[in-house]
Amino acid sequence: EDKVVQSPLSLVVHEGDTVTLNCSYEVTNFRSLLWYKQEKKAPTFLFMLTSSGIEKKSGRLSSILDKKELFSILNITATQTGDSAVYLCAVEAGAQKLVFGQGTRLTINP
Amino acid sequence: DAGVIQSPRHEVTEMGQEVTLRCKPISGHNSLFWYRQTMMRGLELLIYFNNNVPIDDSGMPEDRFSAKMPNASFSTLKIQPSEPRDSAVYFCASSSRTNEKLFFGSGTQLSVL
Repeated sequence: EDKVVQSPLSLVVHEGDTVTLNCSYEVTNFRSLLWYKQEKKAPTFLFMLTSSGIEKKSGRLSSILDKKELFSILNITATQTGDSAVYLCAVEAGAQKLVFGQGTRLTINP
Repeated sequence: DAGVIQSPRHEVTEMGQEVTLRCKPISGHNSLFWYRQTMMRGLELLIYFNNNVPIDDSGMPEDRFSAKMPNASFSTLKIQPSEPRDSAVYFCASSSRTNEKLFFGSGTQLSVL
């Protein structure tokens, strides 16, 4: 059975801290790994990773994939209260079929 | 583009009633997905369609759940009869062959009393 596991499930930090969110996976037909941010309603897309070792960056957020060890990390530097959200990791296991992890609930305190 | 459109936004019903959730995918997208999100289980894939054809419905909990996609611009998820444990947020999402990112609708918050 395809499985995606995220850790930690919950994280509370102070504004300005740097955080690292983890995602490990076991799927039979890996195609890509995606990160989403979910605030109040629908998840919104952050990154898609397909190759090992290539860092994707968007402002203070960055992510990297390790296909040998089957994991990815999402880093957020100089966190702000607006970064508070649930961060979801998903793996494309087969044509356009995404399997999601449980999510990491990140809370940034001022 | 208006994005993925779901209706209703909220649904409160009594146990045993039929519930129908609706979704309009982004125009031009060829794949449509129905997900259910709960605190306990996170986001679970229920069923997905490719070119209006159901490809994988292994996530559909039981026979009370059914989904249809009669054309490229409309899909329904039906629960009959509904039960309190069906209470969750149901998301519809779509993607295209050329852009594998999934775009989500705003979800339907379902409460079965």
